[in-house]
Amino acid sequence: EIVMTQSPATLSVSPGERATLSCRASQSVSSDLAWYQQKPGQAPRLLIYGASTRATGIPARFSGSGSGTEFTLTISSLQSEDFAVYYCQQYNNWPPWTFGQGTKVEIK
Amino acid sequence: QVQLVESGGGVVQPGRSLRLSCAASGFTFSAYGMHWVRQAPGKGLEWVAVISNDGSNKYYAESAKGRFTISRDNSKNTLYLQMNSLRAEDTAVYYCAKDRWSGDFDYFDFWGQGILVTVS
Repeated sequence: EIVMTQSPATLSVSPGERATLSCRASQSVSSDLAWYQQKPGQAPRLLIYGASTRATGIPARFSGSGSGTEFTLTISSLQSEDFAVYYCQQYNNWPPWTFGQGTKVEIK
Repeated sequence: QVQLVESGGGVVQPGRSLRLSCAASGFTFSAYGMHWVRQAPGKGLEWVAVISNDGSNKYYAESAKGRFTISRDNSKNTLYLQMNSLRAEDTAVYYCAKDRWSGDFDYFDFWGQGILVTVS
């Protein structure tokens, strides 16, 4: 099973600032990496797939990068609606599909 | 637009059974694999099970093997999760999610709103 590790657990950022979230895989997942956003009481929403491709309707301030075992999600200028928990997920080697433990982006 | 609506959750005693349903609309249900993912209170996401578009292939998390059964009825556009021998640690919000791929399996492009299962 591939273990996904996200850091930091919590990120405190002021509105308008940049946020950088990290995700590491225990073995290579190539570019088969997705990012999801989850707000309190809501279902997860797909943000990024293929490590760097934005899903339909996702603003350009969200960008993903990386391949192999190291990945990054960057939110270039945080808006109020971006404060949420973000999960990475690998879909290269399944089952199981595995998620990171999440990074909470909170208002500083 | 894609809609996934879960139902069937509730409070159940340890050792008992429960069947979740997920009604799908807005896409060709029979063309896509479907997943169940759960989230324990205050915790992260845990994949539970997947079924291929025609029901011929099914995979389970270790925590679900032997106790949970995923199935689908393409004539009713509905996904199911039969959960037997429930334990306290199965308490979670259960989400159904659509696989983005109509061939093999991939990532999850749409999620339902989730349904709470409490084992107590």
